[in-house]
Amino acid sequence: AQKITQTQPGMFVQEKEAVTLDCTYDTSDQSYGLFWYKQPSSGEMIFLIYQGSYDEQNATEGRYSLNFQKARKSANLVISASQLGDSAMYFCAMREIQGAQKLVFGQGTRLTINP
Amino acid sequence: NAGVTQTPKFRVLKTGQSMTLLCAQDMNHEYMYWYRQDPGMGLRLIHYSVGEGTTAKGEVPDGYNVSRLKKQNFLLGLESAAPSQTSVYFCASNNILGSNYGYTFGSGTRLTVV
Repeated sequence: AQKITQTQPGMFVQEKEAVTLDCTYDTSDQSYGLFWYKQPSSGEMIFLIYQGSYDEQNATEGRYSLNFQKARKSANLVISASQLGDSAMYFCAMREIQGAQKLVFGQGTRLTINP
Repeated sequence: NAGVTQTPKFRVLKTGQSMTLLCAQDMNHEYMYWYRQDPGMGLRLIHYSVGEGTTAKGEVPDGYNVSRLKKQNFLLGLESAAPSQTSVYFCASNNILGSNYGYTFGSGTRLTVV
């Protein structure tokens, strides 16, 4: 069974600093996908970034990058130059490539950006 | 606007009451999912469907039933609500080819069972 672990329940960062949110995963599948979602206080789930298990380069989307270390089974999210609007809950998730493509989520990390 | 619509957005139930949550998508997606979100536990899969007329159990199916009579709709039912079912419920959909840009989520239903 697939499992996602986020070990940081909460993080506090100064505005404009870079921040790394940790995510480790466990799967016996060779092919899988990893996602990061942002959930602001309004509650909606916002897609941030995706990394496929066979992608050789780390994914980047604007200020977001995914530090993918396959051998260590980690998929950390890096946010550069943090902004007040980055304060939110962040979820790491894994998709099974076969079958119903179910998403398995981690417990989440609450990020607070201080001015 | 295209997307996933959940109704209702908020609901308070008394223990033992029943209700149905509706998820509707207009993107012709094959796959649909119901998740519940509880503090400190992330989102957990309740039931899912891989097409019209199909449903399957997820990680936490007890106390819930689902139906997908039409491709665009995925209904989640609580036959006899319990306080443990107080949660935020999210519906999501995805196409059969999968998307590298994430799944489409509804805005959530906040359910309180008293």
